[in-house]
This record gives sequence, C-alpha cells and structure tokens, in this order.
Amino acid sequence: LAKTTQPISMDSYEGQEVNITCSHNNIATNDYITWYQQFPSQGPRFIIQGYKTKVTNEVASLFIPADRKSSTLSLPRVSLSDTAVYYCLVGDANTGFQKLVFGTGTRLLVSP
Amino acid sequence: GAVVSQHPSWVICKSGTSVKIECRSLDFQATTMFWYRQFPKQSLMLMATSNEGSKATYEQGVEKDKFLINHASLTLSTLTVTSAHPEDSSFYICSARGGGALNSPLHFGNGTRLTVT
Repeated sequence: LAKTTQPISMDSYEGQEVNITCSHNNIATNDYITWYQQFPSQGPRFIIQGYKTKVTNEVASLFIPADRKSSTLSLPRVSLSDTAVYYCLVGDANTGFQKLVFGTGTRLLVSP
Repeated sequence: GAVVSQHPSWVICKSGTSVKIECRSLDFQATTMFWYRQFPKQSLMLMATSNEGSKATYEQGVEKDKFLINHASLTLSTLTVTSAHPEDSSFYICSARGGGALNSPLHFGNGTRLTVT
C-alpha cells in the first residue's frame, strides 16, 4: 500500500490560494490519488481525484507531475469555512480502493 | 452524487451493553463497505472490510468477536459493538465505493459518535 506524507498543519488567510502537497513515492501503476476534507465530528468528504496531469472541479484543482510521486491540492481563494483537515490517499482502483490507509492529514487553519 | 448514510449519528450506552450502527448506501449498491474508527485529534483507522454475503475481513488487532459486522444486503452493513466498554468510545465511520466506474471514489458516512459510560 502506497504511503502518503503531508505537512501536519498549514495556516492561511481568507482569499488566499492554498496549496497542499502530498508525497507518495511508492505509488503503483493502478493507483489513483484522492483528496478528502474532514470537519470535526463529520465523515471525510470527497474533494477531488486524479491519475495524472491536472484535474479541476468546482472546488479545487489537483496537480500531478509526470512521475506521480507527489500531488498538490490547490484551493483557490479560501474562506473561513475551509478550515478543516485534508487527507491525501493513494489507492488501487482495480480493487475498488480496498483498504485505503489514512495518513496524518494536513490541518488547515484559515484566519480572517 | 453517491450518498452513504449512517445511523445513529450519536449514541450513549452503558458499559456491558451492545450497540448497533447502520451504514446504508442510499443511491447505489455496495458489495463492499469499510468501517473506520477515529479517536480525537487522530486520523481514521481502518477496522474491517465488510463484504456482502460473506464474512468480513478484519485488520490486525481488531477483535472480530467484539466488533460484529453483517453485510446482509447490497445497501446495508451493520457494525455491532458487543459488551461495550469505555475504551470503545470513539467516532465510527463507514465508507463505500460510489458505484459505476471502477475508479469511482469512496464516499463516507457522517460517522457515529459512541460514548460508553
């Protein structure tokens, strides 16, 4: 199972762009990269998923370099409500993402 | 999008009693569901994989007789904490793959806060 490493915490201010980088050096060919957001006392919420290059949706962008050993979640113009823990996970789509392992996550604090 | 529902959202029980937590996939079928446990300020820890129509597979260190899992239908998995003790107090979360394409991401329930007194 590919292990991920993220910064423990990050601080930002409202309106700024936040980039959270995740390292996954032993990612396998069939692995996809998925990011989740978790608020206190709630289950993780799916943000974005990608395999290579760049993926963008209405809330975030995901940048994946050619070697796929890292990925960067980009949150444009964060607000106070983006204060949460963000998890980067790597999993094998061929097994239906069996046994996803959560790392420590990145605790993002957005201040006024 | 895919919705996973958990019930109850919180429960308080006395030591020695059993508690059942339900996990439902509301708009898709899930042959496999996953159960996690999360302690305060910590990450999610995978407890077991629930397989429809067969026995669950448990992670190392998780007592299968303590945490009974039943996945009797394609939309429902249940986790029963038997003879609960205060150390079982935790946040329990289930997840299921959203269906459709093989790379459909996992979606998580909103969790169940269990407090054992």
